[in-house]
Amino acid sequence: GNSVTQMEGPVTLSEEAFLTINCTYTATGYPSLFWYVQYPGEGLQLLLKATKADDKGSNKGFEATYRKETTSFHLEKGSVQVSDSAVYFCALSDPGRVTDKLIFGTGTRLQVFP
Amino acid sequence: NAGVTQTPKFQVLKTGQSMTLQCAQDMNHNSMYWYRQDPGMGLRLIYYSASEGTTDKGEVPNGYNVSRLNKREFSLRLESAAPSQTSVYFCASSNTGGVTGELFFGEGSRLTVL
Repeated sequence: GNSVTQMEGPVTLSEEAFLTINCTYTATGYPSLFWYVQYPGEGLQLLLKATKADDKGSNKGFEATYRKETTSFHLEKGSVQVSDSAVYFCALSDPGRVTDKLIFGTGTRLQVFP
Repeated sequence: NAGVTQTPKFQVLKTGQSMTLQCAQDMNHNSMYWYRQDPGMGLRLIYYSASEGTTDKGEVPNGYNVSRLNKREFSLRLESAAPSQTSVYFCASSNTGGVTGELFFGEGSRLTVL
């Protein structure tokens, strides 16, 4: 079946460090891929998305490229801030697009220290 | 613009008690979802409703029932709560068939079953 695998956390970085959070997926068909972010005490919100192979999603300095050959969608940011501390979820959509129900990874907690 | 509103935000139950989590969205979305979030498990889909008048099981439906009361409201009921249902519950909505396939989440309801 369809699934998403994320790297274990927490990821601990100093401010201005480079961030990579790995995400790989297994899916039949051609899903869309998403990164969601959850700040403390809040619900999830969409960070970025990519709908087809080689698409790059970007937002707030974060980016991720849909790599079909490696079935990956790694999240990167060149210089993290303390305000980026949150839990990040990789997700894929129903390839059949009958609904928008998403399959989520387990989440990766990012902690950024000054 | 309220988005997705969940009530209650916190609830403590004893084993065997029943309760209903309420969810309402004001974005005129046709699809709604209930997820539960557990440590190390990410988000798992309990039930979803692709359109008003329809509901379908997700990955972990046992012990839950849902009602799509109208286009705006989607409730989740625990008939006889068990400690294994201690979790954070998130309601979400989307405009299925829309361009983004993005889910909009509520702030969550933290349920503890003793």
